[in-house]
Amino acid sequence: EAGVTQSPTHLIKTRGQQATLRCSPISGHTSVYWYQQALGLGLQFLLWYDEGEERNRGNFPPRFSGRQFPNYSSELNVNALELEDSALYLCASSSPGHPFTYNEQFFGPGTRLTVL
Amino acid sequence: ELKVEQNPLFLSMQEEKNYTIYCNYSTTSDRLYWYRQDPGKSLESLFVLLSNGAVKQEGRLMASLDTKARLSTLHITAAVHDLSATYFCAPRRDDKIIFGKGTRLHILP
Repeated sequence: EAGVTQSPTHLIKTRGQQATLRCSPISGHTSVYWYQQALGLGLQFLLWYDEGEERNRGNFPPRFSGRQFPNYSSELNVNALELEDSALYLCASSSPGHPFTYNEQFFGPGTRLTVL
Repeated sequence: ELKVEQNPLFLSMQEEKNYTIYCNYSTTSDRLYWYRQDPGKSLESLFVLLSNGAVKQEGRLMASLDTKARLSTLHITAAVHDLSATYFCAPRRDDKIIFGKGTRLHILP
């Protein structure tokens, strides 16, 4: 069974540009989560999508946005990039309704975003 | 707001020694996860702890949960070099999982 996939692996942008990151969940999973892992700051929760809707949002400015498509894949968009947006962005998926998975989140390999 | 504190944040230990990583969290949580992250890699799920007194073991790792004390521990028995990684605890509240800063474990041969 394929795991969570993310693209691209690396992304280099300059300040002020926009970045789009993509995530495909494990087949059958309906929830997608986005996290930012910046150096020294641990994992910070960004967004949670389930069944196409945004369910929860972390403490990030509105220039961080996303969406979930009918096939449950997801996009994270970061507008007006700032230097401090440089980080590893991790996507995770889970299957909320399944009784044996305990909403466990399975993580993708991440996208390394570098803002110059 | 749920806050998570892990300690130590960095641990260097010799093989064959035992040690414990502590995870304290500030408010009630309905479950707690432990993850492992190797350098440059993604997170791998280790344990899911659902109730007070829950204990789970996998190889040399054992995790426990005390919901009254809001404390989870990850105990490493007779460490081996392969266990070198960063370990995160992550309690869940209101459908949001909050990660600790992680404990970077370095096991010396």
